Amino acid sequence: DSGVTQTPKHLITATGQRVTLRCSPRSGDLSVYWYQQSLDQGLQFLIQYYNGEERAKGNILERFSAQQFPDLHSELNLSSLELGDSALYFCASSGSLAGGLDTQYFGPGTRLTVL
Amino acid sequence: AQSVTQLDSQVPVFEEAPVELRCNYSSSVSVYLFWYVQYPNQGLQLLLKYLSGSTLVKGINGFEAEFNKSQTSFHLRKPSVHISDTAEYFCAVRASGGSYIPTFGRGTSLIVHP
Repeated sequence: DSGVTQTPKHLITATGQRVTLRCSPRSGDLSVYWYQQSLDQGLQFLIQYYNGEERAKGNILERFSAQQFPDLHSELNLSSLELGDSALYFCASSGSLAGGLDTQYFGPGTRLTVL
Repeated sequence: AQSVTQLDSQVPVFEEAPVELRCNYSSSVSVYLFWYVQYPNQGLQLLLKYLSGSTLVKGINGFEAEFNKSQTSFHLRKPSVHISDTAEYFCAVRASGGSYIPTFGRGTSLIVHP
């Protein structure tokens, strides 16, 4: 158990819909990262937040957005969903004094299926 | 920018045999290197990392990796694998300065047969 929690575990929705994925980082971690894992693209970095502020952006579509709240949990919002958005979405956290800034701890992921 | 190439998409091996999973990277600056493991239906877990110092890095579950700067490689090895090592293994690289965003390879599926 990494200490990072993600909800829901599975999500099935239709094209055109909007969903929200939630992530709670490990206790003490200030940084949250979102990744998308699919068979054709592999593991792709989407976006990073550090203590509530956006720090880095990767291959995130304009239809996707994220935020980190004062309690440090984060949400990834996916809108106007397309079939190609079906993937595993991982959240990771880092920044604990114990682990050091270079170790990312991954959650179990949310599997999104768009029908 | 950095890039990672995992040379084998799948590595089948028999239990108790040694295994090497290959990883090559490309970067114009100094790098940190990582190996992660993903067991079925789970998130990624850090196996080991190279930040500096000794080029031979020991990780969890009996794995080790060697950083070879001249060959830009960071191969993962285990002298004797178990069935429970069956998983997807990801090599990752990031620049030693700047952001903390690693670039991941496409992964190598290690399949351990009894």
